[in-house]
Amino acid sequence: GDSVTQMEGPVTLSEEAFLTINCTYTATGYPSLFWYVQYPGEGLQLLLKATKADDKGSNKGFEATYRKETTSFHLEKGSVQVSDSAVYFCALSDPQGGSEKLVFGKGTKLTVNP
Amino acid sequence: DAMVIQNPRYQVTQFGKPVTLSCSQTLNHNVMYWYQQKSSQAPKLLFHYYDKDFNNEADTPDNFQSRRPNTSFCFLDIRSPGLGDAAMYLCATSRSGSAAIQYFGAGTRLSVL
Repeated sequence: GDSVTQMEGPVTLSEEAFLTINCTYTATGYPSLFWYVQYPGEGLQLLLKATKADDKGSNKGFEATYRKETTSFHLEKGSVQVSDSAVYFCALSDPQGGSEKLVFGKGTKLTVNP
Repeated sequence: DAMVIQNPRYQVTQFGKPVTLSCSQTLNHNVMYWYQQKSSQAPKLLFHYYDKDFNNEADTPDNFQSRRPNTSFCFLDIRSPGLGDAAMYLCATSRSGSAAIQYFGAGTRLSVL
């Protein structure tokens, strides 16, 4: 079945450091790819998405490019802030019958220190 | 304003005592989902409703049931909670269609004593 593997955490960085969180996937079809973020005490919220090969999703300084040849969707940010501290989930969708099932990675906890 | 609301945020129940978690939405989305998330694990889909059509995941235990009386509300019933059912339960909603974004509630953390 479909699966998502993402970089084990936790990740601890200093403010303004460069961030990469690796994500690879296995899928039988052509999934859409997502990054969701969960801030402390809150639910998951969409950070960015890409729906086809070579698409780049971006939001709040974060970027990820859908790489079909390497089945990857790595999350990057050039300069992290303390407010980026959260758990980040990579996910893919498995379209069926008009509704979207999300398959998540295990999540990567990011802590950014001042 | 919260668009997907889960109540309660924390729920404590006793082993074997039925419990119901609730979810409501103001987005008028036709798809609603229930996920189980255990500590340091990925959210795992239990089931979802596409309008009134119920879709159960193959590996969801029979102990878990759901009801959706109308578009706005969805309930998760755990008939006889075991210690292994202690987890965070997440509700989400989406429109139908390819690559639809799911909107999550803040979750209900269930403890089983």
